[in-house]
Amino acid sequence: NAGVTQTPKFQVLKTGQSMTLQCAQDMNHNSMYWYRQDPGMGLRLIYYSASEGTTDKGEVPNGYNVSRLNKREFSLRLESAAPSQTSVYFCASRRDRGGNIQYFGAGTRLSVL
Amino acid sequence: GENVEQHPSTLSVQEGDSAVIKCTYSDSASNYFPWYKQELGKGPQLIIDIRSNVGEKKDQRIAVTLNKTAKHFSLHITETQPEDSAVYFCASLGGNYGGATNKLIFGTGTLLAVQP
Repeated sequence: NAGVTQTPKFQVLKTGQSMTLQCAQDMNHNSMYWYRQDPGMGLRLIYYSASEGTTDKGEVPNGYNVSRLNKREFSLRLESAAPSQTSVYFCASRRDRGGNIQYFGAGTRLSVL
Repeated sequence: GENVEQHPSTLSVQEGDSAVIKCTYSDSASNYFPWYKQELGKGPQLIIDIRSNVGEKKDQRIAVTLNKTAKHFSLHITETQPEDSAVYFCASLGGNYGGATNKLIFGTGTLLAVQP
């Protein structure tokens, strides 16, 4: 059981570069989420997707875009990376049918120099 | 906006002692309160949760209590072991339980260190 898979695990970017963080889940979940985790600030929601074809902003969406490519995949794109986007990024998916348990990937550690 | 406060930020206990982590939420409509454990280098994993129609829930050495009036909920770990060392996050969720657009609001985390 792979669960939620994130790639890459580590990435270093220069300011202004772009990149896409990939996320895929094999649990047939409808809802998927992107969070960032910063010291002392817990997990903050960037974007989420309640179903294939829909996306919505979370608490900290500025500087990011997302694509729900299909039911399995939900990608996060940084068009012009900034040092303030240095963080650990987590993707999660949620069990459906009245459940609220979110299943997290192992994270992508991103540094923007 | 909605927020969840979590205390303490760090907690060190001796093996075998109990650990308690407390959270306060602001949204009186919140109806679901999960606790996640995050081990080093891994993503958070659910360890226990409670719904607003229940005051306490236990699962072996861990328990969660909820005081809706005070808008407090707590995680209790008894007989702590070194493998309990991790970061623990509380969270709250409002709105329609199980609804497609439900979003969790997370606390800032507690680093628990269990000393052998």
